[in-house]
Amino acid sequence: QKEVEQNSGPLSVPEGAIASLNCTYSDRVSQSFFWYRQYSGKSPELIMSIYSNGDKEDGRFTAQLNKASQYVSLLIRDSQPSDSATYLCAVNGRGGDKIIFGKGTRLHILP
Amino acid sequence: DAGVIQSPRHEVTEMGQEVTLRCKPISGHDYLFWYRQTMMRGLELLIYFNNNVPIDDSGMPEDRFSAKMPNASFSTLKIQPSEPRDSAVYFCASSFRVGGQGAYGQYFGPGTRLTVT
Repeated sequence: QKEVEQNSGPLSVPEGAIASLNCTYSDRVSQSFFWYRQYSGKSPELIMSIYSNGDKEDGRFTAQLNKASQYVSLLIRDSQPSDSATYLCAVNGRGGDKIIFGKGTRLHILP
Repeated sequence: DAGVIQSPRHEVTEMGQEVTLRCKPISGHDYLFWYRQTMMRGLELLIYFNNNVPIDDSGMPEDRFSAKMPNASFSTLKIQPSEPRDSAVYFCASSFRVGGQGAYGQYFGPGTRLTVT
């Protein structure tokens, strides 16, 4: 079983709509969860972190965590063409120091 | 802060040559990570350091790869001899307090695109 799983996409969403990106993880003891955005040819950029069950909002972004279901998601409201990128889910692995990355979901916002 | 600095940004070399990638982490960060990214395998952790000490090198693909961190502001990743399958983008990232509840995320450098012909 892969440690962090994401649908590779591409996920196509009309401009102005809500984009929903999902991630599941296998290690029940994971405590910290992150979303990164990576534009083509660029490095990953940290956009959200979440540690407790529930929702965390930052501007147009909302991260959702459900530890019982081992599920974390990212919602992007009012999607813009500039949101088109690959979104990487990352989870701190067993032992605490390692961050395990999913392979990412490609998001395409349709103008 | 200038962020994580990596050099060179691009490296083209011939098979069998030695390659050295360099990284300067963000000042004050005590964790440093080396990653490799390819289309097929995604982002792979190669090795990470805490307070200049290598903690986990289980991701280093083979003995041809080595990494050092002689001080808090500098790290190198060396490949000797290089092979075409080493072609990838290599990222350095730094952070502090990466484990447990409330861990901080990692901040990535711009990467080094390595091509081995």
